[in-house]
Amino acid sequence: QKEVEQNSGPLSVPEGAIASLNCTYSDRGSQSFFWYRQYSGKSPELIMFIYSNGDKEDGRFTAQLNKASQYVSLLIRDSQPSDSATYLCAVNIGDMRFGAGTRLTVKP
Amino acid sequence: DVKVTQSSRYLVKRTGEKVFLECVQDMDHENMFWYRQDPGLGLRLIYFSYDVKMKEKGDIPEGYSVSREKKERFSLILESASTNQTSMYLCASSFGGYSVTEAFFGQGTRLTVV
Repeated sequence: QKEVEQNSGPLSVPEGAIASLNCTYSDRGSQSFFWYRQYSGKSPELIMFIYSNGDKEDGRFTAQLNKASQYVSLLIRDSQPSDSATYLCAVNIGDMRFGAGTRLTVKP
Repeated sequence: DVKVTQSSRYLVKRTGEKVFLECVQDMDHENMFWYRQDPGLGLRLIYFSYDVKMKEKGDIPEGYSVSREKKERFSLILESASTNQTSMYLCASSFGGYSVTEAFFGQGTRLTVV
């Protein structure tokens, strides 16, 4: 079983909709969780991190963590075409492990 | 601004060559990482270093080695390049331990082995 699994997508949503991205992890000792965005041909860049159960909001982005279910999600409200990218879930287990990523397309 | 710099943006090498990919960070980070990224497979960890001269194997270390002689520099070595090592290679660095610490990435090296 891979340490970090994401729904592979691709995911397509209309502009203004909510995009929901999901991630599960296998190591119960994982302490901190990250969402990165990667535009085509570019390096990943951090959007948000979360380490406590519950929700964490930053502008249009909300990260949700459920340690009992080993589940992390990212919600993007009022999706914009500029949000079209691949979203990578990452887990700090001492080193940093990434999921395969979910490609999101926001259609105008 | 954190800077992680990889020595080359694009590289073309021949099968059997020894290839060196260099990465330098300027934030005094303890951790440094080498990943390769292939379509549909995400970022796969090749090697991880948590201190000078210390290294841990990641998920796909076969065919690779690493060197960390100075804290700021982490090198990935392809001992004998093969075509299946054609990929995008990403270096990253972060502060150490289990603390909430993001990884900062270099610009990537697209390696083609012919």
